[in-house]
Amino acid sequence: DIQLTQSPTSLSASVGDRVTITCRASRGISVYLNWYQQKSGRVPKLLIYESSNLQSGVPSRFSGSGSGTDFTLTISSLQPEDFATYYCQQSYSTPTFGQGSNVEI
Amino acid sequence: EVQLVESGGGLVQPGRSLRLSCTTSGFSFGDYCMSWLRQAPGKGLEWVASIGSKADNERLEYAASVKDRFFISRDDSKNIAYLQMSTLKTEDTAVYYCSRWRIQTVYDYWGQGTLVTVSS
Repeated sequence: DIQLTQSPTSLSASVGDRVTITCRASRGISVYLNWYQQKSGRVPKLLIYESSNLQSGVPSRFSGSGSGTDFTLTISSLQPEDFATYYCQQSYSTPTFGQGSNVEI
Repeated sequence: EVQLVESGGGLVQPGRSLRLSCTTSGFSFGDYCMSWLRQAPGKGLEWVASIGSKADNERLEYAASVKDRFFISRDDSKNIAYLQMSTLKTEDTAVYYCSRWRIQTVYDYWGQGTLVTVSS
């Protein structure tokens, strides 16, 4: 299985901050990396697919980049509704998820 | 509107069985592969099982943690996916979600989840 390691696993930020979360794969996965947002007690929501493609309806302040083993999710200006846990997931082979990154105030 | 609704969760004793259902609407179910994923209390997301579409020969895949205990199936005439869980263990306690995907496992729609609690 391909392991995904996210960092940081927890971060404190303020409204308006630029936030970057990284996801490292244990081996190359081309661009087959997706990002999800999960708010407390809610269903995961797809934000970014195949590294950099914004899912329909997702605000443009979210962006993704990377290929091979190193990927990033960036929130350009953190909004109150963005406080949540973010997961990366690889779709290159049998799906696996990162351990999550909790963005809190 | 795409909808996925899980049902069948509940409290079950270790060693017993349970069947989950994922009833879908709003999309061409037969064209999609389906997956079950789970999230233990306070933990992260874990993929459990996938079933391909008919075009994919309904290919089955399972996580190592559930292989030989869980069985995924689908009924394209009813637009429902199932997860038959047997020999349940306490570590299977989780919210179980179903989701759809096509060529790559990009999970764009999820059900609301159903809680399975395995406890004596």
